[in-house]
Amino acid sequence: AQKITQTQPGMFVQEKEAVTLDCTYDTSDPSYGLFWYKQPSSGEMIFLIYQGSYDQQNATEGRYSLNFQKARKSANLVISASQLGDSAMYFCAMSLLNTGFQKLVFGTGTRLLVSP
Amino acid sequence: DAGVTQSPTHLIKTRGQQVTLRCSPKSGHDTVSWYQQALGQGPQFIFQYYEEEERQRGNFPDRFSGHQFPNYSSELNVNALLLGDSALYLCASSPYSSGNTIYFGEGSWLTVV
Repeated sequence: AQKITQTQPGMFVQEKEAVTLDCTYDTSDPSYGLFWYKQPSSGEMIFLIYQGSYDQQNATEGRYSLNFQKARKSANLVISASQLGDSAMYFCAMSLLNTGFQKLVFGTGTRLLVSP
Repeated sequence: DAGVTQSPTHLIKTRGQQVTLRCSPKSGHDTVSWYQQALGQGPQFIFQYYEEEERQRGNFPDRFSGHQFPNYSSELNVNALLLGDSALYLCASSPYSSGNTIYFGEGSWLTVV
């Protein structure tokens, strides 16, 4: 069975500091993709970053980077230089080869609050 | 380049009624999936459409059905609405050939009273 675990219900960070949001995953499929999405209160699920299971290097997208530790089955999101607009829910998700990489399984999310 | 668009954004229905939600995928995307997100939870996969056929389905009853049109747009239909169907319904689109590009729309907030 595939499962995503996000153990931090809420995180606080001061503006301009870096923050790490934790994500661990469980699958026996050797081919998978890992995603992070941001969801503001408006509801839209905004794509942030993607990491494939065979990617050798950690993915980076601007201020977002994914700390991929395959042996530990973790895919933590690092946000550098936090901004007030980063306050939102953050979801980690996984897709598998056996579903054509088209079905996402999500974690329960982490609410990030950035303070001035 | 328009992203994934959904309509309506908010709606209120009565128990037992039927609802139709609509989704237009991002340009260049041919696959549409639907997710249900209850309050305080992560999204749950309902089903996926490609080439106008349902390809995968999550653990949802037959009251949930869908359709994909030749222009790749999609509808989600829910019959015999229950109070528990109140949720945010998210549409996601992607190219069938690539699994690293899955984009979501803004969602449709459904309240069943």
